[in-house]
Amino acid sequence: EVQLVQSGAEVKKPGESLKISCKGSGYSFTSYWIGWVRQMPGKGLEWMGIIYPGDSDTRYSPSFQGQVTISADKSISTAYLQWSSLKASDTAMYYCVRHSRDYGNDYWGQGTLVTVSS
Amino acid sequence: DIQMTQSPSSLSASVGDRVTITCQASQDISNYLNWYQQKPGKAPKLLIYDASNLETGVPSRFSGSGSGTDFTFTISSLQPEDIATYYCQQYDNLLITFGQGTRLEIK
Repeated sequence: EVQLVQSGAEVKKPGESLKISCKGSGYSFTSYWIGWVRQMPGKGLEWMGIIYPGDSDTRYSPSFQGQVTISADKSISTAYLQWSSLKASDTAMYYCVRHSRDYGNDYWGQGTLVTVSS
Repeated sequence: DIQMTQSPSSLSASVGDRVTITCQASQDISNYLNWYQQKPGKAPKLLIYDASNLETGVPSRFSGSGSGTDFTFTISSLQPEDIATYYCQQYDNLLITFGQGTRLEIK
């Protein structure tokens, strides 16, 4: 069974750093892209970027380029999304997704809620 | 970026009604269009992939059609459990984009 299991909810202060994770199982982790999607409270879905764990090829949406870093450790089948300096506007639910050319985003993680507040 | 224009933004319908949502891409995306359902507090769920293919386990009252720039998502007979927000998504390239979403309510 394909699963994407994300790390737990985080409460941080502005200016702090954060790295959240997404562990894949039940499939070949290096054969599919892993993407990240933001959903701010009460809002729609926003595409942030994507990584191919097989060779670490990474692409960012222009809106998120320079704001976050996407990485992956294929040895432990885990992808990451990190911030060096959080802002209150980063408060949102973040989902990781498995992506393929044939099916698009077919599997989603359960989401990680990030709250940034002083 | 490819822009996805989804309409309507909200919709109220009665149980048993036929419901239609449209999505228009700003350029040709072939069939690289998915539809997702999101219920409150839950992750989105894939319903239709490649514009018209029903994901395994999804009820047959859901369907999708279209290609190129114009796409349609239909619920043939609305059920109470279909109350959710629906999103289209294009994946013609890796700069993936979503429609704005359609909030579906029961009248």
